[in-house]
Amino acid sequence: EDKVVQSPLSLVVHEGDTVTLNCSYEVTNFRSLLWYKQEKKAPTFLFMLTSSGIEKKSGRLSSILDKKELFSILNITATQTGDSAVYLCAVLNYQLIWGAGTKLIIKP
Amino acid sequence: DTEVTQTPKHLVMGMTNKKSLKCEQHMGHRAMYWYKQKAKKPPELMFVYSYEKLSINESVPSRFSPECPNSSLLNLHLHALQPEDSALYLCASSQDGKTVFGPGTRLTVL
Repeated sequence: EDKVVQSPLSLVVHEGDTVTLNCSYEVTNFRSLLWYKQEKKAPTFLFMLTSSGIEKKSGRLSSILDKKELFSILNITATQTGDSAVYLCAVLNYQLIWGAGTKLIIKP
Repeated sequence: DTEVTQTPKHLVMGMTNKKSLKCEQHMGHRAMYWYKQKAKKPPELMFVYSYEKLSINESVPSRFSPECPNSSLLNLHLHALQPEDSALYLCASSQDGKTVFGPGTRLTVL
């Protein structure tokens, strides 16, 4: 059965810290892996990764995929309170297969 | 235009009502989706439209009826819902794997 596992499930850090969120997967017919940020409303697209070893960056956020070891990480540097959210990882084969999410809380 | 829009933002309905949720995108995406999301859970796929044809129906009860009038619009018709159907209903569209979500409709069934 296809599955996506995120860790940790929740994380509390202080502003300015760096965090690393993990996503491992066992999915047949892998096409891509996507990261989303969800606050009170809909998931907001962050990154789509299809190739191993190529880092994607957007400001303080970056992500990389390892297709050999079947995982991805999402890094956030110099965290701010506005980074508090649930971060969702999803793997696309014929449809999106979702992890349970990591709830990130940034304390001032 | 790089977004998916949904109306209404909020909807409260009784179990005997008929209502519709609407979704629109102008990114030229040929795949559109309805998802249901309960609190503290990831989105759950309901329907997939590909090139305006229903390609996936994830065993959704018939009280939910999707419609795709054209390549930019997606509707979800609701009838005789149950209180447990209260949730955030998300529309999404995708091209080349990148899936973009609308802001959602927060539905409450009384």
